[in-house]
Amino acid sequence: DAKTTQPTSMDCAEGRAANLPCNHSTISGNEYVYWYRQIHSQGPQYIIHGLKNNETNEMASLIITEDRKSSTLILPHATLRDTAVYYCIVRVGRNTGKLIFGQGTTLQVKP
Amino acid sequence: GAVVSQHPSWVICKSGTSVKIECRSLDFQATTMFWYRQFPKQSLMLMATSNEGSKATYEQGVEKDKFLINHASLTLSTLTVTSAHPEDSSFYICSAPLRQGQGETQYFGPGTRLLVL
Repeated sequence: DAKTTQPTSMDCAEGRAANLPCNHSTISGNEYVYWYRQIHSQGPQYIIHGLKNNETNEMASLIITEDRKSSTLILPHATLRDTAVYYCIVRVGRNTGKLIFGQGTTLQVKP
Repeated sequence: GAVVSQHPSWVICKSGTSVKIECRSLDFQATTMFWYRQFPKQSLMLMATSNEGSKATYEQGVEKDKFLINHASLTLSTLTVTSAHPEDSSFYICSAPLRQGQGETQYFGPGTRLLVL
């Protein structure tokens, strides 16, 4: 199972872009990269996922390197409400749906 | 996005009693649901996979007789913490997968905070 490595914590100024990196050098060809976030005392919230191509939705953009060994989640205009723990997860197995959470990155958005 | 609910949102119980937590997928069906546990300042730990119509699959180290899981229908899974003790106090979170376009997305409930006195 591919494991992920993320920085423990990051700061970002309100209104600026937040770029959260993730390394997944052992990812296999059919494994997706998922991003979730957890605001304090709440259940995790789905943000975005991708396989090979870059993806964008109303919340964020996901940039995956060509070799798929790393990715970056981009929050284009961070707000104070984006302060949370962000988890980068490579899905275990093709159809089981299990998600194994690492320690994630604590993003602190500051005014 | 899809919605998953949990009930209750918090519960306080005495040591030795049993507590049931419900997880519902409100606008989609889920043959599989997942249960996680989270202690303060730690990440989520997968406890078990709940399977509609069959037995749950437990992760290594999780006692199946203590954490009873029943997947009663395509929209409901329940977790019962039997003979709860203070060390079972934790934040319990469920999730349900929904197939959408590429791959499958897990949607999480808001969590249930359990305090055992």
